[in-house]
Amino acid sequence: SQQGEEDPQALSIQEGENATMNCSYKTSINNLQWYRQNSGRGLVHLILIRSNEREKHSGRLRVTLDTSKKSSSLLITASRAADTASYFCATRGNQFYFGTGTSLTVIP
Amino acid sequence: GAVVSQHPSWVICKSGTSVKIECRSLDFQATTMFWYRQFPKQSLMLMATSNEGSKATYEQGVEKDKFLINHASLTLSTLTVTSAHPEDSSFYICSVIQTSGRHSSTDTQYFGPGTRLTVL
Repeated sequence: SQQGEEDPQALSIQEGENATMNCSYKTSINNLQWYRQNSGRGLVHLILIRSNEREKHSGRLRVTLDTSKKSSSLLITASRAADTASYFCATRGNQFYFGTGTSLTVIP
Repeated sequence: GAVVSQHPSWVICKSGTSVKIECRSLDFQATTMFWYRQFPKQSLMLMATSNEGSKATYEQGVEKDKFLINHASLTLSTLTVTSAHPEDSSFYICSVIQTSGRHSSTDTQYFGPGTRLTVL
């Protein structure tokens, strides 16, 4: 059920810096969602962007979607050590498909 | 968003035994639930779609006789790993989709906290 790829696979930044993660997918979608997963825990839904939207904000999160390039990006501004986690994109077509994930480490 | 619980959160069992994992949708009725497994440092892989009152739909390569799914009510689905072996050790996660409106563009998937299975 994997059709997306996140880039980079791993990212390490200093606290206070911005973190950008990218997601590419293959088929047409109805929406794209970003999730966060702390080690050994379930997934937490962060934000949903519909296929007819180009940008969405939620707190320190900013998501963009480019359906012509079949890609999305997640920007976390002013990162905190607590943002350390894995981040997945999931696309909604006929099913949900998950990307491979980006492991983010925020160094205090 | 929807609240999903799983029980147990972790389980250790001997090879050859069966393990049952419960997934509950706590605040809305889910006709469909999904079961995923996740290996360390990897993404989620969909195992099966659990349908209330009917047979589950399994993904290619997933043995239906090994991973028994029962969706007996609108709030409960169970996954039973039969005759577990060490290679079945994994993180099992269930989810529900909460829909709003007729179009799936706002469908949101909510996940349970996961069950860590270790087979010795």
